Amino acid sequence: GAGVSQSPRYKVAKRGQDVALRCDPISGHVSLFWYQQALGQGPEFLTYFQNEAQLDKSGLPSDRFFAERPEGSVSTLKIQRTQQEDSAVYLCASSLQQGKEQYFGPGTRLTVT
Amino acid sequence: AQSVAQPEDQVNVAEGNPLTVKCTYSVSGNPYLFWYVQYPNRGLQFLLKYITGDNLVKGSYGFEAEFNKSQTSFHLKKPSALVSDSALYFCAVRDPHSGNTPLVFGKGTRLSVIA
Repeated sequence: GAGVSQSPRYKVAKRGQDVALRCDPISGHVSLFWYQQALGQGPEFLTYFQNEAQLDKSGLPSDRFFAERPEGSVSTLKIQRTQQEDSAVYLCASSLQQGKEQYFGPGTRLTVT
Repeated sequence: AQSVAQPEDQVNVAEGNPLTVKCTYSVSGNPYLFWYVQYPNRGLQFLLKYITGDNLVKGSYGFEAEFNKSQTSFHLKKPSALVSDSALYFCAVRDPHSGNTPLVFGKGTRLSVIA
């Protein structure tokens, strides 16, 4: 079946622009995670949803970062007034239910110039 | 706080030789441990996990990992490396006591299998 998909795969933004990154989880997966992977580093947690509820947003680095999952399926990660330090790969993962394996999408590579 | 360490940035091995990618962890209590692999321009792929039970865990593509509680290690192993195993490998830990907590990843180890 289809895996986790993310769009766009690549995004170049000028400093100060707003961006929106989309994640389509595996159908029926309740849990959805966003991670940020800087160059040469492992992924770091940003935020977590269970259905439409954002249960943990402790990893969001600043109030410029905002995520939503209004209908408990597709999720959007929005970054306002992008800065160069926001350049990274943004990974989305979903899992069937609490505690199960996370399946990752291919990521969106964001470059802020 | 939970953490994992992957002490090697790069591991080189000849095709057909056994490979080991090292991981140590720090977590209170009994950890949930994972290995993921990342190929260029692709997402992380799940290889295997340790939750409880047998310390030797078998996973995808012939990989296995051994949980060693006394050494707080979870090294990834394969008896005979393939060139196609060349990729970036991540060890991760999750605290089992706090609901659906996120994975905490190591920095990754780049495996290069040379023909």
